[in-house]
Amino acid sequence: EAGVVQSPRYKIIEKKQPVAFWCNPISGHNTLYWYLQNLGQGPELLIRYENEEAVDDSQLPKDRFSAERLKGVDSTLKIQPAELGDSAVYLCASSSRQEETQYFGPGTRLLVL
Amino acid sequence: GENVEQHPSTLSVQEGDSAVIKCTYSDSASNYFPWYKQELGKRPQLIIDIRSNVGEKKDQRIAVTLNKTAKHFSLHITETQPEDSAVYFCAAILGGSQGNLIFGKGTKLSVKP
Repeated sequence: EAGVVQSPRYKIIEKKQPVAFWCNPISGHNTLYWYLQNLGQGPELLIRYENEEAVDDSQLPKDRFSAERLKGVDSTLKIQPAELGDSAVYLCASSSRQEETQYFGPGTRLLVL
Repeated sequence: GENVEQHPSTLSVQEGDSAVIKCTYSDSASNYFPWYKQELGKRPQLIIDIRSNVGEKKDQRIAVTLNKTAKHFSLHITETQPEDSAVYFCAAILGGSQGNLIFGKGTKLSVKP
């Protein structure tokens, strides 16, 4: 079984530029999560999707962050414009209806200069 | 909201010794407690989890204990090996399946050969 796939693995951009991250969850997993992980910290939830519906986006900074999961499978997280403080690892995870376990992707390491 | 405290932030042990990491949570409704291991630059990987209807769970050298009354749970690693060196995160999930994970800040475990 393939795991959660994310791309790109690394991204370096200048501040004020846009950036997008892509996630493909484990096949059959209806729930998809985007997390932010700052250096030396645990992951923090940004948004949770159940199928194509965003059921919890309370922690997503909506002035600059957006996300979509149009067909209930792949998802894209976008930042526009990026700020220096957005430098972090963006993790995607997925889970199935049958269990609580969340499986993480390798993350995208973003550096904003 | 849910809050998870994790201690210690760093832990250094000699190979073969035991390591214990402790976490407390604030919401008595939490019912699922996973532990993740994250090696440098890699994805968090689930190593063991426990549900609120169980007090202890063991998997080879790893065990987790849960005290619902005191709202704390612990990870125990016996006979530590250098490859156990990593950052370990505890987490708590509110509600049934597919809830939101709240992570502790992590414990950096170093096992010295």
